[in-house]
Amino acid sequence: DIQMTQSPSSLSASVGDRVTISCQASHDISNLLNWYQQKPGKAPNLLIYDASNLETGVPSRFSGSGSGTDFTVTISSLQPEDFATYYCQQFDKFPYTFGQGTKLEI
Amino acid sequence: QVQLVESGGGLVKPGGSLRLSCAASGFSFSDYYMSWIRQAPGKGLEWVSYISTSGSTIYYANSVKGRFTISRDNAKNSLYLQMNSLRAEDTAVYYCARVSRGVDYWGQGTLVTVSS
Repeated sequence: DIQMTQSPSSLSASVGDRVTISCQASHDISNLLNWYQQKPGKAPNLLIYDASNLETGVPSRFSGSGSGTDFTVTISSLQPEDFATYYCQQFDKFPYTFGQGTKLEI
Repeated sequence: QVQLVESGGGLVKPGGSLRLSCAASGFSFSDYYMSWIRQAPGKGLEWVSYISTSGSTIYYANSVKGRFTISRDNAKNSLYLQMNSLRAEDTAVYYCARVSRGVDYWGQGTLVTVSS
């Protein structure tokens, strides 16, 4: 299975900050990497697909980059609604594994 | 609008069985790959199973292979997960998921608790 490792596991930040979350794959997955946001008690929500494409309706303050084994998601200016847990997920080979999550806290 | 509504979760004893259902609406169900993804309480996400549009291609996570069976009925716009030989570690919220460029729609989830 392809292992996905996110860093950091948790992150404290303030409204208006720029934050970056990293994700590393154990094998080359090209650009087949998605990012999700999950709020407590809710299903995850797709933010970015194919490493850098913003899903419809997602604010432009979110951006993704990377290819191969190293990926990042950046929030340019944190808003109160962005405090949540973020997961990366590879879409190269089944099982389509997720990272362990990064909890973004105030 | 796209809706995915799961049902069938509940409390079951170890070794027991459950069948989850997912009713899809608001899109052409037969055009999309579908999946079940689970999340144990307080834990991360695990992709459990995946089925192609016609059902000809199916994948399972190693943790459920041989115990779970995914299926779909395109005429009824429904996805299913038959879960047998359930274990405590199968306790989780199970999400029905539409697969496109990623999982672009999720159900609200149904809780499966395996406990004696």
